[in-house]
Amino acid sequence: ETGVTQTPRHLVMGMTNKKSLKCEQHLGHNAMYWYKQSAKKPLELMFVYNFKEQTENNSVPSRFSPECPNSSHLFLHLHTLQPEDSALYLCASSQAEDGNSPLHFGNGTRLTVT
Amino acid sequence: AQKITQTQPGMFVQEKEAVTLDCTYDTSDQSYGLFWYKQPSSGEMIFLIYQGSYDEQNATEGRYSLNFQKARKSANLVISASQLGDSAMYFCAMREPTTSGTYKYIFGTGTRLKVLA
Repeated sequence: ETGVTQTPRHLVMGMTNKKSLKCEQHLGHNAMYWYKQSAKKPLELMFVYNFKEQTENNSVPSRFSPECPNSSHLFLHLHTLQPEDSALYLCASSQAEDGNSPLHFGNGTRLTVT
Repeated sequence: AQKITQTQPGMFVQEKEAVTLDCTYDTSDQSYGLFWYKQPSSGEMIFLIYQGSYDEQNATEGRYSLNFQKARKSANLVISASQLGDSAMYFCAMREPTTSGTYKYIFGTGTRLKVLA
């Protein structure tokens, strides 16, 4: 098992659909993150979870709804998205209390909203 | 507010030569961490190297080294003996504390490196 696994790798959805992105980490970390990567823009932090509690919501629209049932799993529920939401969505994990801990990323989900 | 700046959108380097990718940062924190990541065309983000603000020695990891100049707030990545497989996007990132006592990581816009045969 790789350290951080994201599914699906690719997703195409219409604006009225509801879908979910899944992330699972096998590194024993206690912090998990969602980032959005659009073309020619820096990675944008969306949400941070620390010990299953949400500690950061970076002014993300409510059509994105995160869920963290335990320290190993993170979901991003999507509904009524817009075409500008098309991007690569990256999940990452780290050891929350260790400032030296790098982020470990999954391979990402390439989302296309039609 | 913290900020990461990468001023080189694209760089070319000849195979087997060294290349420096620039990164400057802005923070008022005394304790911070700086990271470099590589993102090949396949999309995964690969951690390369870390430098803590209190580390006196420049970090090194194999062919990667970090030229840390604290007074100038720069953390440039040096790749020695470039290989064709080094062609990728490279991101500089900084850890900043949150109000909840944990950390979040902010990223620069990246530099696309192309290694020429």
